[in-house]
Amino acid sequence: QQQVKQSPQSLIVQKGGISIINCAYENTAFDYFPWYQQFPGKGPALLIAIRPDVSEKKEGRFTISFNKSAKQFSLHIMDSQPGDSATYFCAASKNRGSTLGRLYFGRGTQLTVWP
Amino acid sequence: EAQVTQNPRYLITVTGKKLTVTCSQNMNHEYMSWYRQDPGLGLRQIYYSMNVEVTDKGDVPEGYKVSRKEKRNFPLILESPSPNQTSLYFCASSPFAGGNTGELFFGEGSRLTVL
Repeated sequence: QQQVKQSPQSLIVQKGGISIINCAYENTAFDYFPWYQQFPGKGPALLIAIRPDVSEKKEGRFTISFNKSAKQFSLHIMDSQPGDSATYFCAASKNRGSTLGRLYFGRGTQLTVWP
Repeated sequence: EAQVTQNPRYLITVTGKKLTVTCSQNMNHEYMSWYRQDPGLGLRQIYYSMNVEVTDKGDVPEGYKVSRKEKRNFPLILESPSPNQTSLYFCASSPFAGGNTGELFFGEGSRLTVL
């Protein structure tokens, strides 16, 4: 059973536009939601993360919006640039219980930003 | 330089020939984990270790073994590789000291092909 569902699978955005990637989860015990960015030939790297005590977190052009009641969170990339072209993964984990130490990833979104 | 080092980066092998993918981190991290990445399936956790001598199964542990005898090393062992283990493998580490996994630092990946 997939713990974190991510959409869309691929996304094409024009330079300067807004890229939006969505994720949903079922387990209400999750309390840490990171986003990872992966360039071709490289390992994923942490981009931004949020905890459920806030509804939004912004770092530069990247914003996570979190809706606890809907069990959804999303990544918004403002003023998208060709250099943002990469695969993005959302993830979720919890800080207690039998699955402590597990980080569940979505299936990824391949973002292409056209110049 | 802080890093997670995997070897080999590329390997073509045949069914049944035992192989080991090594992983070493120089950040004194407690937590280490192995993931496999397959197209359309995202990152799936194979095994993880929250400390020396402590390992646990992830989502897809079948056909794999791990050991954590030293803090810095976390090798992935395929005792009898099969073609369905053809994949891109990533090792990751985190300072994790209880609670969520925190930021994972990934290696560059090991692309394995089993014929």
